[in-house]
Amino acid sequence: EAGVTQFPSHSVIEKGQTVTLRCDPISGHDNLYWYRRVMGKEIKFLLHFVKESKQDESGMPNNRFLAERTGGTYSTLKVQPAELEDSGVYFCASSQVGTDTQYFGPGTRLTVL
Amino acid sequence: QKEVEQNSGPLSVPEGAIASLNCTYSDRVSQSFFWYRQYSGKSPELIMSIYSNGDKEDGRFTAQLNKASQYVSLLIRDSQPSDSATYLCAVNDVYGNKLVFGAGTILRVKS
Repeated sequence: EAGVTQFPSHSVIEKGQTVTLRCDPISGHDNLYWYRRVMGKEIKFLLHFVKESKQDESGMPNNRFLAERTGGTYSTLKVQPAELEDSGVYFCASSQVGTDTQYFGPGTRLTVL
Repeated sequence: QKEVEQNSGPLSVPEGAIASLNCTYSDRVSQSFFWYRQYSGKSPELIMSIYSNGDKEDGRFTAQLNKASQYVSLLIRDSQPSDSATYLCAVNDVYGNKLVFGAGTILRVKS
């Protein structure tokens, strides 16, 4: 069974540009999470989808970040416009409803110059 | 005070020794605790979960939980060079099921 996949693995953009990250959860996992790790800090929660609904977006840093999960399958996280402090590794995780074991993807390393 | 605290290390142990990794958490009502292993540039990989006070063993790994002291640890017996990685302690937020992570402990097992 395929694990959580993320695309791209790396992205380098200029300040002010837009970037869209994609996450494909494990098939059948209705819970989907986004996390972020900035340099030297711990991994921090961004938001949680249950199917296509946003269950908790308390960790989203500001309105430059937009997450979607149309159809309850894959999810995208758009940063527009990107700022220098958005650089870091963005992780996606998924889990089955009713369980709290989250499986992580390999992450997307975002560098904003 | 950070919600989940770990010693960043690096913790260096010789091959075959026991590695002891520690974690404390601040939210007294937390119920679920996890240890993830992360190799450089790779995804965090779940190695242990623990929910009740006491010890839980899985192969060379033992997780220990003490809710009264708000303390969770991971013991790795017969440490191997392949165990060298960053170990992340995570606690389930009781208000949802998002994970709160510590900054991780770097473990180096020397052959």
